[in-house]
Amino acid sequence: DVKVTQSSRYLVKRTGEKVFLECVQDMDHENMFWYRQDPGLGLRLIYFSYDVKMKEKGDIPEGYSVSREKKERFSLILESASTNQTSMYLCASTPYQQGLTNTGELFFGEGSRLTVL
Amino acid sequence: AQSVTQLDSQVPVFEEAPVELRCNYSSSVSVYLFWYVQYPNQGLQLLLKYLSGSTLVKGINGFEAEFNKSQTSFHLRKPSVHISDTAEYFCAVSYTGGFKTIFGAGTRLFVKA
Repeated sequence: DVKVTQSSRYLVKRTGEKVFLECVQDMDHENMFWYRQDPGLGLRLIYFSYDVKMKEKGDIPEGYSVSREKKERFSLILESASTNQTSMYLCASTPYQQGLTNTGELFFGEGSRLTVL
Repeated sequence: AQSVTQLDSQVPVFEEAPVELRCNYSSSVSVYLFWYVQYPNQGLQLLLKYLSGSTLVKGINGFEAEFNKSQTSFHLRKPSVHISDTAEYFCAVSYTGGFKTIFGAGTRLFVKA
């Protein structure tokens, strides 16, 4: 069974702390994504990666960075957490597809709910 | 800019009644369309997708959606809902030559007994 695992379901951090959100997939997918989910805004893409050590900014990259040292693992980093980063964070993956087009299904983890105090 | 609009933020409906969740997208190029469902405290899972071919697409749990190119819509329907269909539903679109999948704001479906 395909699996995307996010290491922490719930986190509470303080303003200014460095936060790591980890995501691991066991499907040998090339592409991995970090989304942020907020009520009334749907999902917004923060960063994505189409290969090891490769990363691309999404629509809202400010205040975030990512790391992809291994194919199966994609980490989201908040260098200095702020209260406006309180949100649900969703990791997803898809296999490589010709023409770099997302015609396939995104496989999601269960999400990491981050609260920044 | 490319966008997806879900016309209803919340849809309350009685059990066994039909339901339609509306979705419109902006596009002038080829699109691929998706509906995802999110149950409480879970990630998203795919309900159905349209890539090409027949404009009526059937998905899991009795849901179906119809692609209407002229109206740029992809509405989701179910003829008879169950309590277990209570969830948030997201319409999404991706475009030829692009990596991104763009999501709508979501529609919360409440099924009442």
